[in-house]
Amino acid sequence: DIQMTQSPSTLSASVGDRVTISCRASQSISSWLAWYQQKPGKAPKLLIYQSSSLESGVPSRFSGSGSGTEFTLTISSLQPDDFATYYCQQYNNYPLTFGGGTKVEIK
Amino acid sequence: EVQLVESGGGLVQPGESLRLSCAASGFTFSTYWMTWVRQAPGKGLEWVANIKQDGGETYYVDSVKGRFTISRDNAKNSLYVQMNSLRAEDTAVYYCAGGQSAWTSVYWGQGTLVTVSS
Repeated sequence: DIQMTQSPSTLSASVGDRVTISCRASQSISSWLAWYQQKPGKAPKLLIYQSSSLESGVPSRFSGSGSGTEFTLTISSLQPDDFATYYCQQYNNYPLTFGGGTKVEIK
Repeated sequence: EVQLVESGGGLVQPGESLRLSCAASGFTFSTYWMTWVRQAPGKGLEWVANIKQDGGETYYVDSVKGRFTISRDNAKNSLYVQMNSLRAEDTAVYYCAGGQSAWTSVYWGQGTLVTVSS
């Protein structure tokens, strides 16, 4: 199975900050990576697929990059609605696997 | 409005069975891959299984192979998972999700809690 490792596990930031979350795959997954946002008690929401493609309706302050084994989710200017947990997910191989999550907290 | 509504969760003892259902509305269910994803209390997301539009392909995480069976009824716009030989480590909120590809899900339900405990 492909292991997905996110860092940091928790991130403290302020509104307006530029935030970067990393995701590393245990083997190359080309660009087959998605990012999800999850708020407490709610279902995940798809933000980005194929490493850098923004899902319809997702604000443009969210962007993704990377290929191979190293990926990044960037929030260009953190908004109050963005405080949540973010998960990467690979879909190069079955089983589909998620990273452990990065919680973005208010500083 | 797209809706996915899970049902069937509850408290069961180890070794028992449970069947979860997911009722879909607001989109063309028969054209979507459907997926079950679970989340143990306070933990991250775990992909469990998915099923192709026509039910002709199914995939499972190793930990549930042989115990869980995913199925769908396109005439009823419904997704199911039959869970047998349940274990304590199956305790989680189970989400039903759908996407036009096998790989990512744009529509999600609110989840149903399954607790396996004696």
